[in-house]
Amino acid sequence: AQTVTQSQPEMSVQEAETVTLSCTYDTSENNYYLFWYKQPPSRQMILVIRQEAYKQQNATENRFSVNFQKAAKSFSLKISDSQLGDTAMYFCAFIHISGNTPLVFGKGTRLSVIA
Amino acid sequence: GAGVSQTPSNKVTEKGKYVELRCDPISGHTALYWYRQSLGQGPEFLIYFQGTGAADDSGLPNDRFFAVRPEGSVSTLKIQRTERGDSAVYLCASSLVSGYNSPLHFGNGTRLTVT
Repeated sequence: AQTVTQSQPEMSVQEAETVTLSCTYDTSENNYYLFWYKQPPSRQMILVIRQEAYKQQNATENRFSVNFQKAAKSFSLKISDSQLGDTAMYFCAFIHISGNTPLVFGKGTRLSVIA
Repeated sequence: GAGVSQTPSNKVTEKGKYVELRCDPISGHTALYWYRQSLGQGPEFLIYFQGTGAADDSGLPNDRFFAVRPEGSVSTLKIQRTERGDSAVYLCASSLVSGYNSPLHFGNGTRLTVT
C-alpha cells in the first residue's frame, strides 16, 4: 500500500520570504502522480500543483514549484514570495496511474505566513 | 453554483442517532468520492462511485457506514448508531471521470460532531 509522510506538522514564514514543505512517499509502483493541495479554514481542498512521475522536469505554477526526486521518493513544495493568503494546511497526495486506487493523503503541514 | 455542494455544513447529533450527509457533485461529473478527515489528520478515503455503483468501498470503517448514489448524481453518506469516534469532517469530491488524469474538485465538507 502507498503511504505519504509529511514530517513537518507546522511551519511559519515571513511575508515575501520563501518556504519549503517536505513530503516523502512509499510505493512499489513506477508510474504515478503526486499532488499538493491547500486547505484554508473554509475546509475546501484546492489543488495547488501536480507532478507526473514519468516527467523529470519539476512542475511549476506561478509562485509554487516542486522538487521531485523520484529515486529518493521525495516531493517537496516551494512557495516563493509568500503571501498572507497562503496561510493554510497543505497536504501532499499520491495516486497510482491506473486510477484504480484512491488518492492517498499525508497528514498535512500547517503553514502560517506572518506579516 | 458550479462547485461541489455539501449539506449540512455542520451537524451535531447524539451518540446512537442516525445521520445523513448529502453531496451534490459538479454537473456531469461521473466519479464521486467520500473522504473523512479527523482532527489533525489528512483526508482518509471511504468510498467512491463511478456512476451509480460503488466502485470501491474498501475505506468504509464498518457496517454502520453506507453510501448511495441512486441516479448517478447526488450522493448520501449514511451513518447508523453514531459513535463519538465518528466526529470528523466528511469531505466529498467529484471528477469528470475516475482516474489519475481527472482532477478532484472538493466541497467544503460537513463537520459532524457526535456528543
